[in-house]
Amino acid sequence: EPEVTQTPSHQVTQMGQEVILRCVPISNHLYFYWYRQILGQKVEFLVSFYNNEISEKSEIFDDQFSVERPDGSNFTLKIRSTKLEDSAMYFCASRRGGQYQETQYFGPGTRLLVL
Amino acid sequence: GNSVTQMEGPVTLSEEAFLTINCTYTATGYPSLFWYVQYPGEGLQLLLKATKADDKGSNKGFEATYRKETTSFHLEKGSVQVSDSAVYFCALTYANDYKLSFGAGTTVTVRA
Repeated sequence: EPEVTQTPSHQVTQMGQEVILRCVPISNHLYFYWYRQILGQKVEFLVSFYNNEISEKSEIFDDQFSVERPDGSNFTLKIRSTKLEDSAMYFCASRRGGQYQETQYFGPGTRLLVL
Repeated sequence: GNSVTQMEGPVTLSEEAFLTINCTYTATGYPSLFWYVQYPGEGLQLLLKATKADDKGSNKGFEATYRKETTSFHLEKGSVQVSDSAVYFCALTYANDYKLSFGAGTTVTVRA
C-alpha cells in the first residue's frame, strides 16, 4: 500500500539555523499539507499546497516558513531561522483530490528539536 | 470558527472493556468527520470517517456515527485489546479547503 514518507525522522538544530524537512507524498496525490504537533498539544494546520502554490496558510506559517515542491516527488518545509518554540513533531499529509477524495494520509512525522 | 472538542484523557481500561471517546464539533454547514489514531512512536493513521449525517464509519472493531442533531461523532469499541493503546484524535474538514481541524487527542491505555 502506498504511503507518505518523511525524512529525517529526528532533527536537532541550534536556534537560528535553517532546517529543511522532507516529505514524499503518495504518487498520484495532488494536494499536500504540513501540520505540526507541539509536545502534549493539539495537531495544528500549517499550510496547504496545490498546483505548485500555497492554497491556504495558518497564522503560524509566517515569513520564516516556506514550502516547495522542487521536483515531481518531494514536498519540503523550510524554516529559515529556527526558534525554540519551533520544536515540535511535523507531519506531512497528502490527498488525492477529486470527488469524495477528502481523506488525508499522513507521514510518520519529523521530530524537530531546537536548542 | 470550526472546533472539535474531545473527552479529556487519559483513559485507562482493562482488556475486553468497552471504550467510548466523546467528540463534539462546532461548525457551520456539513463537515466530514474523522478519527485518527497515533500509536506510540508513530504518525497519524486514519481509523475511520463519515462524510454525511447518519453515516457510520467502522474499522478494526471501532465505530462512530455522524450525529448532526447532537453535532457528535463519538468513537466506540466493544472489547478493547492491549494493542489499542494509542492517542485518538477526532477531526473535521470541509470540502472547500480540506484542512483538518483536530481535537486535543485522548490517550487510551489498555491493561492486560
